[in-house]
Amino acid sequence: AQKVTQAQTEISVVEKEDVTLDCVYETRDTTYYLFWYKQPPSGELVFLIRRNSFDEQNEISGRYSWNFQKSTSSFNFTITASQVVDSAVYFCALSEVISNFGNEKLTFGTGTRLTIIP
Amino acid sequence: GAGVSQSPSNKVTEKGKDVELRCDPISGHTALYWYRQSLGQGLEFLIYFQGNSAPDKSGLPSDRFSAERTGGSVSTLTIQRTQQEDSAVYLCASSLASTQFPYEQYFGPGTRLTVT
Repeated sequence: AQKVTQAQTEISVVEKEDVTLDCVYETRDTTYYLFWYKQPPSGELVFLIRRNSFDEQNEISGRYSWNFQKSTSSFNFTITASQVVDSAVYFCALSEVISNFGNEKLTFGTGTRLTIIP
Repeated sequence: GAGVSQSPSNKVTEKGKDVELRCDPISGHTALYWYRQSLGQGLEFLIYFQGNSAPDKSGLPSDRFSAERTGGSVSTLTIQRTQQEDSAVYLCASSLASTQFPYEQYFGPGTRLTVT
């Protein structure tokens, strides 16, 4: 069975500090996708990134960066120079393809609540 | 363009009543998914549709839960004889579908269901 662990339940940092959110996953699939979603106070899940299991290159998008390490089954997310607007719950998710049409079932971690203190 | 919409945004119902939750996916998205977010269980997958078909219903928590999709668009999740443990936020997502690789899912704002 697939599993995603986000051990950090809550994190608080002062604005402009860097913060890393941890994600560890378990799967028996050789091909899989990993995701990060942001859930701001408004409640709507916002897609941030998708990585496939064959691409271990780190990715940077503005202040966001992701570190995918297959050897440790981790897909960590770093926010550089954090801002108050980054305050949200962040979910890591692992996909399992469940049909020939590419439909995927997402297994989510329990989320990390990030609070940026002004 | 318009995102995934869900209605109602909030629903309070008495234990034992039936409720219907509606999801309007992004136009052109053939895949539709239902998830449930509750305090004790986190986010859990319920069911998915490819077109109007739901090949796998094993994620539905009990036989009181059912879902349908018509015209490859709108989907309805129905909960019969609601129980207090059904209280949660019900999230709908949609995506394109491809035999090549999975597309990212776009989520709606959710329906907060409270069973009293």
